[in-house]
Amino acid sequence: DAGVIQSPRHEVTEMGQEVTLRCKPISGHNSLFWYRQTMMRGLELLIYFNNNVPIDDSGMPEDRFSAKMPNASFSTLKIQPSEPRDSAVYFCASSNIAASSYNEQFFGPGTRLTVL
Amino acid sequence: AQSVTQPDIHITVSEGASLELRCNYSYGATPYLFWYVQSPGQGLQLLLKYFSGDTLVQGIKGFEAEFKRSQSSFNLRKPSVHWSDAAEYFCAVGSTNAGKSTFGDGTTLTVKP
Repeated sequence: DAGVIQSPRHEVTEMGQEVTLRCKPISGHNSLFWYRQTMMRGLELLIYFNNNVPIDDSGMPEDRFSAKMPNASFSTLKIQPSEPRDSAVYFCASSNIAASSYNEQFFGPGTRLTVL
Repeated sequence: AQSVTQPDIHITVSEGASLELRCNYSYGATPYLFWYVQSPGQGLQLLLKYFSGDTLVQGIKGFEAEFKRSQSSFNLRKPSVHWSDAAEYFCAVGSTNAGKSTFGDGTTLTVKP
């Protein structure tokens, strides 16, 4: 089992540029979560999907952020245009939510984003 | 709304000493509770979880946690800490809402030699 795969692991970009972060969840998992982690704000849930459908995007900070999940094995988080305050570690996590039980989330290694 | 409080931002213990990390939660029904560990530069890894049944749950790496409904607590313990346990620890409470979890702010553990 390869676990949750995120790419790139590190991204350095300049303010105003578009940034796309990618995530491949664990095969068979039906929920996917995007988090942002900073020293100031800690771990924040940005958005999560269930069966490829966005369920709650209330954590997305601004319209500059968007996320898609075109199929069960791929999701993207896009920031356009990027700003220095977007610098953070972005984590993707997946889970297998059955109808009558709850399972833990499996986290990817994260993408460290630096916006200059 | 569900919430999690980890009262201790930073804890320092000596290697070999016992450890207890505190977690208090707020949730309207029977909670699903988790402890995760994050080593530097890595993602979060599940240590243990509680759904129901025995209120003392065992996890990986020698950790255990006890669910106390009357105190709304789910404290993490380890009898003897190893230097490799230095990390950040997150308590989380889950819901049946597509598996969304609410995480605490984390407790950073430093282990002195």
